[in-house]
Amino acid sequence: AQTVTQSQPEMSVQEAETVTLSCTYDTSESNYYLFWYKQPPSRQMILVIRQEAYKQQNATENRFSVNFQKAAKSFSLKISDSQLGDTAMYFCASQTSYDKVIFGPGTSLSVIP
Amino acid sequence: KAGVTQTPRYLIKTRGQQVTLSCSPISGHRSVSWYQQTPGQGLQFLFEYFSETQRNKGNFPGRFSGRQFSNSRSEMNVSTLELGDSALYLCASSLKEGEDYGYTFGSGTRLTVV
Repeated sequence: AQTVTQSQPEMSVQEAETVTLSCTYDTSESNYYLFWYKQPPSRQMILVIRQEAYKQQNATENRFSVNFQKAAKSFSLKISDSQLGDTAMYFCASQTSYDKVIFGPGTSLSVIP
Repeated sequence: KAGVTQTPRYLIKTRGQQVTLSCSPISGHRSVSWYQQTPGQGLQFLFEYFSETQRNKGNFPGRFSGRQFSNSRSEMNVSTLELGDSALYLCASSLKEGEDYGYTFGSGTRLTVV
């Protein structure tokens, strides 16, 4: 069974600074996908970034990048130049082929002006 | 293109009643998944429908059911509502073809059971 763990329930960062959110996962599958989703107070869940397990290169999307450590089953999210609009719940998630997406418990990130 | 549309956005029901929630996926997406989100339990998977067939099911009682129509729209039904069913219900659609994984979520339906 897949599991996703986020050990930081809450974090804060100063505007324009960099913050890293941690995530570990467990799966017995060799082919899987990892995601970070953002849920702002408006509650619309948005896909931030996606990583395919068989790709060695870490995914990046503008100010968002991941550090994918496959052997350690670690998938952290780095947010550079934090903005007030980055304040949200962040969920790490994993999915194996044709299976459901499993979400971690989330990290509440506050960006402080 | 239009996103995932969930209706209604808010619902207040009385314990013992039943409720039906609706989800229209992104055009062309055949997979629709439903999640229950609560502060204590986080995001819990309810079920997934793909081309009108339930493909995955979470660990919820039989009071929770769903279906998908030929146009990929999906409905979720909860019968004999309990106070603990109060939650944000999220629908997500996915292409689920080739290498396109990951969900697009709707805004959710906030259900309050009193």
